[in-house]
Amino acid sequence: KAGVTQTPRYLIKTRGQQVTLSCSPISGHRSVSWYQQTPGQGLQFLFEYFSETQRNKGNFPGRFSGRQFSNSRSEMNVSTLELGDSALYLCASSLGTGGDGETQYFGPGTRLLVL
Amino acid sequence: AQSVTQPDIHITVSEGASLELRCNYSYGATPYLFWYVQSPGQGLQLLLKYFSGDTLVQGIKGFEAEFKRSQSSFNLRKPSVHWSDAAEYFCAVGNNAGNMLTFGGGTRLMVKP
Repeated sequence: KAGVTQTPRYLIKTRGQQVTLSCSPISGHRSVSWYQQTPGQGLQFLFEYFSETQRNKGNFPGRFSGRQFSNSRSEMNVSTLELGDSALYLCASSLGTGGDGETQYFGPGTRLLVL
Repeated sequence: AQSVTQPDIHITVSEGASLELRCNYSYGATPYLFWYVQSPGQGLQLLLKYFSGDTLVQGIKGFEAEFKRSQSSFNLRKPSVHWSDAAEYFCAVGNNAGNMLTFGGGTRLMVKP
């Protein structure tokens, strides 16, 4: 079974631009979560989607948004990019069925550099 | 609010030596606990998990972890470290639904030949 895939793997943007990252979950997984990883703040939860609905949200500004499609693929968008948004963005998928079904499997990440 | 502490930022061990990475969590109910490993420039790979039942859990690559409720700990162990184990290790706790992870700061493991 194929793992979680994320595109693109690398991205360079300038301040003020917006960016969209994509995540395809493991086949059969209906939950997709997004995390930001930076050297200073570590790994932080952004949001989680299940069956096209946002189920959980972390403590990030409204510039960070996401959505999930009917095939469980997810996108996250960051508008008005700031230098501090430079990070590795990780997507994880799970069955979303509770208990062990919430075990999250991570993709390789998208590395975003904001200049 | 849930939290995870990994007291050791860096650990260096000799190849073939045993390893223990510490993890302490704060959570009001029975926690869902995880260990992940990350190689440079890569995503996170799940090593093992604890949801309930036997407090000693076995994972991949010869790793195991023990859940100790009285100590709020979930330490990761390996009896004999290989050079390929050099990586960063993250402990995480899941919320009551298990679908939001809070990570510790990570422990970077270096392996001496």
